[in-house]
Amino acid sequence: KQEVTQIPAALSVPEGENLVLNCSFTDSAIYNLQWFRQDPGKGLTSLLLIQSSQREQTSGRLNASLDKSSGRSTLYIAASQPGDSATYLCAVRQSGGSNYKLTFGKGTLLTVNP
Amino acid sequence: DVKVTQSSRYLVKRTGEKVFLECVQDMDHENMFWYRQDPGLGLRLIYFSYDVKMKEKGDIPEGYSVSREKKERFSLILESASTNQTSMYLCASSLGLTGIQPQHFGDGTRLSIL
Repeated sequence: KQEVTQIPAALSVPEGENLVLNCSFTDSAIYNLQWFRQDPGKGLTSLLLIQSSQREQTSGRLNASLDKSSGRSTLYIAASQPGDSATYLCAVRQSGGSNYKLTFGKGTLLTVNP
Repeated sequence: DVKVTQSSRYLVKRTGEKVFLECVQDMDHENMFWYRQDPGLGLRLIYFSYDVKMKEKGDIPEGYSVSREKKERFSLILESASTNQTSMYLCASSLGLTGIQPQHFGDGTRLSIL
């Protein structure tokens, strides 16, 4: 059974700092990995999706990497801003079988202090 | 932009009531999903649908049913609501049958069962 772990559970940084969020998964037979952002009381906003054949994806100040063989992904946020404060979730889609299902980590709560 | 709309942001119902949660997407997506999100447990898949009138159970289908009569609409039904179904419910949709496209989420419905 796939398990997804996100470390740390919470992170507090000063504005302007570069930071890395970590995601690990136990079964490397994945189709893709998706990073989401969730603001308090809201739904999820898709940030980046990395296919299993890719190594990284970039969008603005965000860069996500994937090392499928070691079961790890990182989300790098450059020059953090208070508006980046949110919970960040990663999710993997299994390959084979019912490949629609996403397995989520429990998230990292990020606070960027002005 | 993809728009996934959930009919209610907040809902309060009583034990034993039949409860309907509605979700509509405007991008002609084949796949639609219902998740619940609970503190400490993360997001868990209840049901998903890959076509009109087609559905598959997720990880926690007990006490729930779904209906997909039209491609754009996916309903979650609590047959006889119980207090342990108090939760945040999130609907999502994605394009295509290959599983490579990202899932897009609505803003969620916070449901309280009294």
